[in-house]
Amino acid sequence: DIQMTQSPSSLSASVGDRVTITCRASQDISNWLAWYQQKPEKAPKSLIYAASLLQSGVPSRFSGSGSGTDFTLTISSLQPEDFATYYCLQYNSFPLTFGGGTKVEIK
Amino acid sequence: EVQLVESGGGLVKPGGSLRLSCAASGFSLSSYGMNWVRQAPGKGLEWVSFLISGSDIYYADSVKGRFTISRDNAKNSLYLQMNSLRAEDTAVYYCARDRLPGGRFGELGDYWGQGTLVTVSS
Repeated sequence: DIQMTQSPSSLSASVGDRVTITCRASQDISNWLAWYQQKPEKAPKSLIYAASLLQSGVPSRFSGSGSGTDFTLTISSLQPEDFATYYCLQYNSFPLTFGGGTKVEIK
Repeated sequence: EVQLVESGGGLVKPGGSLRLSCAASGFSLSSYGMNWVRQAPGKGLEWVSFLISGSDIYYADSVKGRFTISRDNAKNSLYLQMNSLRAEDTAVYYCARDRLPGGRFGELGDYWGQGTLVTVSS
């Protein structure tokens, strides 16, 4: 099974900050990686698919990059509505595996 | 409008069974890969199972042999039969649709249900 190591597990940031979250796969997953945002008591929301493609309706301050084993989600200028938990997901092969999550909190 | 609505959660004793349902509307469930994803209280997301056709079914190791995913095209509904339940199966269970019909399997898109809580406790 492919292990997804996400870091950091939490971070504190201010509105306007640039935020970077990383995911590392235990083996090459090409670009089969997605990012999701989850707010408390809500279902996850898709942000990025195929490592770098923005889901329709997602603000352009969100971007994804990487291929192979190392991936990054960047929020260029953190907004109040961005405080949430973020997860990566590899779908290169079954079983699908999520990263452990990154909780983005207000500094 | 695309909608996914889960039901069937509840309190069950260890060793018991439960069947979750996910009613789809606004699209034909048979055209898409469909997934179950769960989230234990205060924990992260865990993928559980995938189905697109009778021959393309996958399970997480943690549920293999105990859970069965299925679909009723006439009712446009997805199911998860859960047997031999354990305390560690306690979670909110979401059904989620793949992003595109005929797309990459497991590329979960923006359509998720609201979740249904399963609690396994004596």
